[in-house]
Amino acid sequence: DTGVSQDPRHKITKRGQNVTFRCDPISEHNRLYWYRQTLGQGPEFLTYFQNEAQLEKSRLLSDRFSAERPKGSFSTLEIQRTEQGDSAMYLCASSFRGNEQFFGPGTRLTVL
Amino acid sequence: QKEVEQDPGPLSVPEGAIVSLNCTYSNSAFQYFMWYRQYSRKGPELLMYTYSSGNKEDGRFTAQVDKSSKYISLFIRDSQPSDSATYLCATKGTNAGKSTFGDGTTLTVKP
Repeated sequence: DTGVSQDPRHKITKRGQNVTFRCDPISEHNRLYWYRQTLGQGPEFLTYFQNEAQLEKSRLLSDRFSAERPKGSFSTLEIQRTEQGDSAMYLCASSFRGNEQFFGPGTRLTVL
Repeated sequence: QKEVEQDPGPLSVPEGAIVSLNCTYSNSAFQYFMWYRQYSRKGPELLMYTYSSGNKEDGRFTAQVDKSSKYISLFIRDSQPSDSATYLCATKGTNAGKSTFGDGTTLTVKP
């Protein structure tokens, strides 16, 4: 399968713990995006990369959130000191030169 | 007020019906318009991607954009039970990286 992949698919953690998610984009897609989606809402933009450069960050992305895309390939999203309000589906998408964005299956985070 | 507004539904139709899904947006800088289908607990799947005003057809799906009224639509012909899902509209500007989404309309097609 050459689509966007995300790992893990589901993460359960206790409040205060750190978690890290990984996204592997479609091969040769130079742009990679992170979104967050809660029940009954559409995806909300968090940040995006063009190659390894992080070009935009939403104000939703607090200091506890950090994203990286070393070498312009896969990306990681880390949440430090998780809170119950962080419980959501974290979606990754990729595109070639800013055109159609293709989404992965998401990582569902549950913070207890 | 959200930049992209979408009637949440739910919308229930019999199999074979024509379905009309609609969104409005407020930012005139939006140039690209997308429709995604999302099944429960899955990632969104891109259905249609259009630029500026006009119509685009792909099989049973037709996307329509009216920039003068900031109104976008998706029509599904001969709807099938497998079309039952949440449909998300999304927009983005010419140079923007991010897409801005509506909150989705839940559709059920009954056999």
